[in-house]
Amino acid sequence: IAGITQAPTSQILAAGRRMTLRCTQDMRHNAMYWYRQDLGLGLRLIHYSNTAGTTGKGEVPDGYSVSRANTDDFPLTLASAVPSQTSVYFCASRARGDSNQPQHFGDGTRLSIL
Amino acid sequence: AQSVAQPEDQVNVAEGNPLTVKCTYSVSGNPYLFWYVQYPNRGLQFLLKYITGDNLVKGSYGFEAEFNKSQTSFHLKKPSALVSDSALYFCAVRPPNTDKLIFGTGTRLQVFP
Repeated sequence: IAGITQAPTSQILAAGRRMTLRCTQDMRHNAMYWYRQDLGLGLRLIHYSNTAGTTGKGEVPDGYSVSRANTDDFPLTLASAVPSQTSVYFCASRARGDSNQPQHFGDGTRLSIL
Repeated sequence: AQSVAQPEDQVNVAEGNPLTVKCTYSVSGNPYLFWYVQYPNRGLQFLLKYITGDNLVKGSYGFEAEFNKSQTSFHLKKPSALVSDSALYFCAVRPPNTDKLIFGTGTRLQVFP
């Protein structure tokens, strides 16, 4: 079934550690996004990529980095995790070229920083 | 600043009754409007969208939404609620000339038997 796969599904991490959240899509979508979901705040955009080889900053990019080496993969890295990065992280993708299209979401990674 | 407001943290409704989940937005121009649903431990699932045309749009699972330009609202509705509709609902707006979505804070819908 076509869609977005995120890994791991959950993780407990010590503060100061480096962590990469993986996201892979098989829909050949050009645009990909990373959000964090926090209670009472909804979803906030961290980083995005309009196409392979390009990335951009969203609303809350500090402490996070991304890369887009190819169309399918869009990993999110926390270089040195802090407790405020405890959240649920969602990857999404969308077919560009038709702005009517909605974003498709993965099932998320639940990250706890201790 | 561009924003989306979902004024109710939670909506409670009895099964079989109509439901409404409210959404208003503050965006310049003519945005695209979306509703998503999130079940426990899952990602967001697309329900419906308004791009242009008829103000009443129909989506998945019997949901519909009414666009009101003068009130800058896009309320989600369903004529007869089901217990299985209980979930977290997000309104989202895509401003003109951007690919980014602005999400509301979400409304938890609880449908009681």
